[in-house]
Amino acid sequence: DGGITQSPKYLFRKEGQNVTLSCEQNLNHDAMYWYRQDPGQGLRLIYYSQIVNDFQKGDIAEGYSVSREKKESFPLTVTSAQKNPTAFYLCASRDGLGRLGYTFGSGTRLTVV
Amino acid sequence: EDQVTQSPEALRLQEGESSSLNCSYTVSGLRGLFWYRQDPGKGPEFLFTLYSAGEEKEKERLKATLTKKESFLHITAPKPEDSATYLCAVQAVRGSARQLTFGSGTQLTVLP
Repeated sequence: DGGITQSPKYLFRKEGQNVTLSCEQNLNHDAMYWYRQDPGQGLRLIYYSQIVNDFQKGDIAEGYSVSREKKESFPLTVTSAQKNPTAFYLCASRDGLGRLGYTFGSGTRLTVV
Repeated sequence: EDQVTQSPEALRLQEGESSSLNCSYTVSGLRGLFWYRQDPGKGPEFLFTLYSAGEEKEKERLKATLTKKESFLHITAPKPEDSATYLCAVQAVRGSARQLTFGSGTQLTVLP
């Protein structure tokens, strides 16, 4: 079955540490997105990519970095510059014009310890 | 700036008690309004896309409608398994990219 795989499901980060969240899709979608979800808030866009080797900042990109070296993969690095990284992170991809909706992964819950 | 407001924030229903969730929006150049269901600790699951005022879509006990300023998700005779957070999002084009702006969701609890 086609879908998006996020790993790990749970991740713990120490102060000053960089961590990388994995996102892999086998849907052959060109566009991929990273969102952050905090309790009681909507999803907020961190970064997005429309094609390989190209990506753009979203609304809350500070303290995050991404790469898009392959169509299937869009990893997100949470750097030590992100002061409040504890959140639920969701990766998504979109087909064409998005008429079938955006497909989301199952998320990674990141906690600072 | 695109804005999406969902109400109520939380809703508790008895099994079989029908109700509606509201999503009001302001967006320049709407390219679709999306409804998603999200269970705790999981990613959102796509329900519907609506594109133009007057459009309606149905799936089992759910029916989504769209006007020029808001969308409603009607739940008819809900069951406990309908308990979840329902998210509304609008898709617009910013620069050359299609992006979603989400509301904060309505947490629905259906009691047996």
